[in-house]
Amino acid sequence: NAGVTQTPKFQVLKTGQSMTLQCAQDMNHEYMSWYRQDPGMGLRLIHYSVGAGITDQGEVPNGYNVSRSTTEDFPLRLLSAAPSQTSVYFCASSYTRGRTGELFFGEGSRLTVL
Amino acid sequence: AQSVTQLDSQVPVFEEAPVELRCNYSSSVSVYLFWYVQYPNQGLQLLLKYLSGSTLVKGINGFEAEFNKSQTSFHLRKPSVHISDTAEYFCAVSEGGGTASKLTFGTGTRLQVTL
Repeated sequence: NAGVTQTPKFQVLKTGQSMTLQCAQDMNHEYMSWYRQDPGMGLRLIHYSVGAGITDQGEVPNGYNVSRSTTEDFPLRLLSAAPSQTSVYFCASSYTRGRTGELFFGEGSRLTVL
Repeated sequence: AQSVTQLDSQVPVFEEAPVELRCNYSSSVSVYLFWYVQYPNQGLQLLLKYLSGSTLVKGINGFEAEFNKSQTSFHLRKPSVHISDTAEYFCAVSEGGGTASKLTFGTGTRLQVTL
């Protein structure tokens, strides 16, 4: 059982470039989300989705775009990368639409923007 | 809006000593509380959670936490730590009236266990 799979694990971009971080889960979870982790700031929610075709903004959505065309996949797009987006990104999913659900995390994608 | 405070950014402790990692939250509604652990270069995994019922919650690897509503706290404890407990620990809160698992995380506490 793969759980939550993120690709790539590492990426270096130049300012202004665009890219997509991939996230896939094989647990048939309705809820999926993206967080970024920065030193001293914990994890901050970027975007989330409660089901296919439904997305919403989290705490820090600017500069990021998401879509949810299937239950399994939830890609995160950086439209025009900036050094402030250098971070570790985590995708997480939950087996319940509700707020009580345990989040299952991927192993993270480390992004550096030069 | 909900928020979580972890006052201790780092906690050094000797192996076999007890440890307490502090977590305080603020929310205007009822909450669900979680502790997650992150080992180096890995994602987060759930240690334990409080949804309702008994205020003392037991989790994996011998950890436990106590929900104190009057003090708005959810401190994590272990009576005897092991070297393998070295990791970063995150407290998180989800408001009970919410419609999605929008967890708000604290800034984390790095537990460093030494011999």
